[in-house]
Amino acid sequence: QSALTQPPSASGSPGQSVTISCTGTSSDIGGYNYVAWYQQHPGKAPKLMIYEVSKRPSGVPDRFSGSKSGNTASLTVSGLQAEDEADYYCGSYAGGNIHWVFGGGTKLTVL
Amino acid sequence: EVQLVESGGGLVQPGGSLRLSCAASGFTFTGNWMSWVRQAPGKGLEWVANINQDGSEKYYVDSMKGRLIISRDNAVNSLFLQMNSLTAEDTAVYYCARWGHYLIDYWGQGTLVTVSS
Repeated sequence: QSALTQPPSASGSPGQSVTISCTGTSSDIGGYNYVAWYQQHPGKAPKLMIYEVSKRPSGVPDRFSGSKSGNTASLTVSGLQAEDEADYYCGSYAGGNIHWVFGGGTKLTVL
Repeated sequence: EVQLVESGGGLVQPGGSLRLSCAASGFTFTGNWMSWVRQAPGKGLEWVANINQDGSEKYYVDSMKGRLIISRDNAVNSLFLQMNSLTAEDTAVYYCARWGHYLIDYWGQGTLVTVSS
């Protein structure tokens, strides 16, 4: 069982928007603004898409955005494209001896 | 360009040991904590271990504590993970990753560890 809770699946048609949630606790998401989102295509390594809740690394399209409210973080993908179909994982700094926790992952399907 | 290249994975019998290596390049290795993350087949990501810049601080996931040793050799820009008493549940792709500002920011391509008789 993962420390952070994500829906197992999400879907949308090309051009639409989809939002993926990630729920933790006050010890991780709620306690720090160090939430990240990763995209993973089959057989590939994860790629950082969002960091510090809502910041985008260079090269990540602005169609990807992040937010947080309380113990829940969200990733929104706007203007869905076929190449956005992938698994998405949230992660959060958890402090102490744990350092980092992941969500269980959400499979995003572009219909 | 940050590059992380893992090696050392393979087939190991239950109860056996394995040492993974990661060669880092494209950044100042001594400036970053480093991490290992694993992913069991068809499953999600699991943070495994962190080590600070000079190797004096180490943190491990509870489920593997006592069976892991993370280390680094800054002279050759390399990260290591010694895994002991392996079980089938340890079968996974193990990723070397760079720890940035309170997050994992770069990943290697991973090395597969299969624990089976």
